[in-house]
Amino acid sequence: DAMVIQNPRYQVTQFGKPVTLSCSQTLNHNVMYWYQQKSSQAPKLLFHYYDKDFNNEADTPDNFQSRRPNTSFCFLDIRSPGLGDAAMYLCATSSGTGDNEQFFGPGTRLTVL
Amino acid sequence: GQNIDQPTEMTATEGAIVQINCTYQTSGFNGLFWYQQHAGEAPTFLSYNVLDGLEEKGRFSSFLSRSKGYSYLLLKELQMKDSASYLCAAYILTGGGNKLTFGTGTQLKVEL
Repeated sequence: DAMVIQNPRYQVTQFGKPVTLSCSQTLNHNVMYWYQQKSSQAPKLLFHYYDKDFNNEADTPDNFQSRRPNTSFCFLDIRSPGLGDAAMYLCATSSGTGDNEQFFGPGTRLTVL
Repeated sequence: GQNIDQPTEMTATEGAIVQINCTYQTSGFNGLFWYQQHAGEAPTFLSYNVLDGLEEKGRFSSFLSRSKGYSYLLLKELQMKDSASYLCAAYILTGGGNKLTFGTGTQLKVEL
């Protein structure tokens, strides 16, 4: 089945220790998104790629970076995680042509100790 | 800025009908999505409205009025499994690409 996969589902890191979250998709979609969702809050868009074009949200901290080496994979790098970065990180994809649905992965829950 | 409002919580009875409202004030608006999210899981797509009017899909229907900046999600014949958060999201056209701006979600509790 075509899908959006995120690994790992649960990630524990230490304060200040870099961490990378991964997302892959078999949908062959042009657009990949990263959202941060804290408890009882809305998903907040961090950035997205349209093919290789990177689009950063104005209020996304510099601590968050992303890489998209090919169509299928996209990574979220948190350079120096703080306690406030503990959240669910959601990856989503869309075809990018016209009005279209975003398909979400299951998310990675990040804990910062 | 972008502003999307929906009630924080609602409670309804199994078998009943519930309407979850959403109001928005956004620039570049190009449509309204509804997603369902169970605790600890990813959002799943329910509906998308780009034109005014009602879209019906089984037990779920969604309505949009662009002139009023208003949408609602209607859930019929409620089941216990419908207990979840329902997220309203505006589809925004921007110079940097299209994106979704989510409301904080309405936590629906279905009771016996």
